[in-house]
Amino acid sequence: DTAVSQTPKYLVTQMGNDKSIKCEQNLGHDTMYWYKQDSKKFLKIMFSYNNKELIINETVPNRFSPKSPDKAHLNLHINSLELGDSAVYFCASSQVEATDTQYFGPGTRLTVL
Amino acid sequence: QKEVEQNSGPLSVPEGAIASLNCTYSDRGSQSFFWYRQYSGKSPELIMFIYSNGDKEDGRFTAQLNKASQYVSLLIRDSQPSDSATYLCAVTPSGGSYIPTFGRGTSLIVHP
Repeated sequence: DTAVSQTPKYLVTQMGNDKSIKCEQNLGHDTMYWYKQDSKKFLKIMFSYNNKELIINETVPNRFSPKSPDKAHLNLHINSLELGDSAVYFCASSQVEATDTQYFGPGTRLTVL
Repeated sequence: QKEVEQNSGPLSVPEGAIASLNCTYSDRGSQSFFWYRQYSGKSPELIMFIYSNGDKEDGRFTAQLNKASQYVSLLIRDSQPSDSATYLCAVTPSGGSYIPTFGRGTSLIVHP
């Protein structure tokens, strides 16, 4: 069974478009995350979300917004896509404790033309 | 700003050798330390975690933590070509946060 899944795996779109990436986890975890991994492989946290709070990395443009319909899902909406948004986006989940492992989805490679 | 530093490499070792990967962190109160492996085009997967000073062994992998010197390392014994990947160090900071900070990763190449 897939623990953390993301769709789509690849996303190619034009500048200015709005797109969404979906994420689902079946691990029963309390917390989900979105990470961006750039071309230099640097993995940077974008959002952390559980049923109590949303933590936003202040460097993330407000064109990015997480939406969680329920505990098992955290989708990422991106408005007015820019060239610099091209990257691999990973969803992850964990329990809320600091000692807990993060489980990553397979990633979505976003290319903005 | 809390930082996690790794040498980007690549670190090249012959098959059968010991690969030593290092990571330093700036937040002295950091709580938990993780090593993730990421193959090219794949997602990170956990190899080991360590919370206390000293060594922790799991098969061919040993994590070493020295909180006084603020570094954590990963040793891979009997390195195999299948170990070739990028290794990411992640540190959970002090202050009750559960969100880890990742280093930029070290690329390891194990050549036959």
